[in-house]
Amino acid sequence: QVQLVQSGAEVKKPGASVKVSCKASGYTLTNYGISWVRQAPGQGLEWMGRISAYNGNTNYAQKLQGRVTMTTDTSTSTAYMELRSLRSDDTAVYFCARVTYYGSGKDAFDVWGQGTMVTVS
Amino acid sequence: DIQMTQSPSSLSASVGDRVTITCRASQSISTYLNWFQQKPGKAPYLLIYAASNLQSGVPSRFSGSGSGTDFTLTISSLQPEDFASYYCQQSYINPRTFGQGTKVEIK
Repeated sequence: QVQLVQSGAEVKKPGASVKVSCKASGYTLTNYGISWVRQAPGQGLEWMGRISAYNGNTNYAQKLQGRVTMTTDTSTSTAYMELRSLRSDDTAVYFCARVTYYGSGKDAFDVWGQGTMVTVS
Repeated sequence: DIQMTQSPSSLSASVGDRVTITCRASQSISTYLNWFQQKPGKAPYLLIYAASNLQSGVPSRFSGSGSGTDFTLTISSLQPEDFASYYCQQSYINPRTFGQGTKVEIK
């Protein structure tokens, strides 16, 4: 079945980097986009950015520009999100989500990974 | 950035109740609006896309409506498994933004 499986929990020191993986199965990665969304403890959802698995084009949230890089490896159907210069307020669960396009420019996150807890302390 | 504001932030309801959650965008987004359900410790789950389209596999008691700046998610008859948090999200422009969430609790 269609699923996204993420890498395990991470504990990092302030100033370090983290790279979270998201392996797709049950569909062709390059036919969809991948977005990353994070959720701080007890808080709401925050969009971090997206990558086209087809051509590698990216859009990042302005507040993360310069610290985040999203990539894909089509040979392994895996997407990656790297966040650098970690701070305590980066502590959150990080989700990858498949972006499905519905026409007329509409899209939605229809399949989600299970989430990866990143603790910065 | 487009601000998404949900109301209420939380509500208490009983099984069988009709529940309505509202989402307002800070500018017109046509029907570029999605709704998600999230249970504690789980990933969000897509319920409605493009304002009124039921995602495959989602029970028909969920429905969405609205366009422009005002949107509504309705649960026609609340079931025990529906107690969760609900988020709206605009897909009109980047950055994609979410509402702050509505927590539906058992009365």
